[in-house]
Amino acid sequence: AQSVTQPDIHITVSEGASLELRCNYSYGATPYLFWYVQSPGQGLQLLLKYFSGDTLVQGIKGFEAEFKRSQSSFNLRKPSVHWSDAAEYFCAVGLTGNQFYFGTGTSLTVIP
Amino acid sequence: EAGVTQFPSHSVIEKGQTVTLRCDPISGHDNLYWYRRVMGKEIKFLLHFVKESKQDESGMPNNRFLAERTGGTYSTLKVQPAELEDSGVYFCASSQDRTSENTGELFFGEGSRLTVL
Repeated sequence: AQSVTQPDIHITVSEGASLELRCNYSYGATPYLFWYVQSPGQGLQLLLKYFSGDTLVQGIKGFEAEFKRSQSSFNLRKPSVHWSDAAEYFCAVGLTGNQFYFGTGTSLTVIP
Repeated sequence: EAGVTQFPSHSVIEKGQTVTLRCDPISGHDNLYWYRRVMGKEIKFLLHFVKESKQDESGMPNNRFLAERTGGTYSTLKVQPAELEDSGVYFCASSQDRTSENTGELFFGEGSRLTVL
């Protein structure tokens, strides 16, 4: 079955530490890939996206993600987490026909 | 440029009542989507409009849910009668068509939280 998997429901990191959020997908072809962030009381904001080309993409707020075709993964990374990064993060895939599917999300807690 | 706006931000109703959620997409976006997130679960697709037409409504849970997009502008999602399991956050999103130059990413509203008691 087609799916988007975010295996980590909740992650806690110390401020200043590095972060990696995992995302795997299972679709026949390489989809469009996105990471969204939802801060409390707000809508989902696009962090970054991958369509084609360089497999390492840079996004807003110092985030980056790497597409690995062999692993069907699109993991999100940040070298140094700030307290304001505490939020929920969603991986999404875009398919033909303007379809989008989301993972279950990863909740990030940042401790001082 | 105004973003996607949703109203109300929060609605508390009793089981059996009716609620109507409204979404105003970004001007010029032909694609409008409704999603729902129940606490702790994934953001689940409900339906997709292209202009005023329903492109895909395979995610609508049952016939108590009715979505409209008259004139291809704003959309409404009506739940009648509401049940306890309808509680959650309803997100609206809009996008341009995906082209060789545009990935057609979704732009989300802040969501309408529905609580059914």
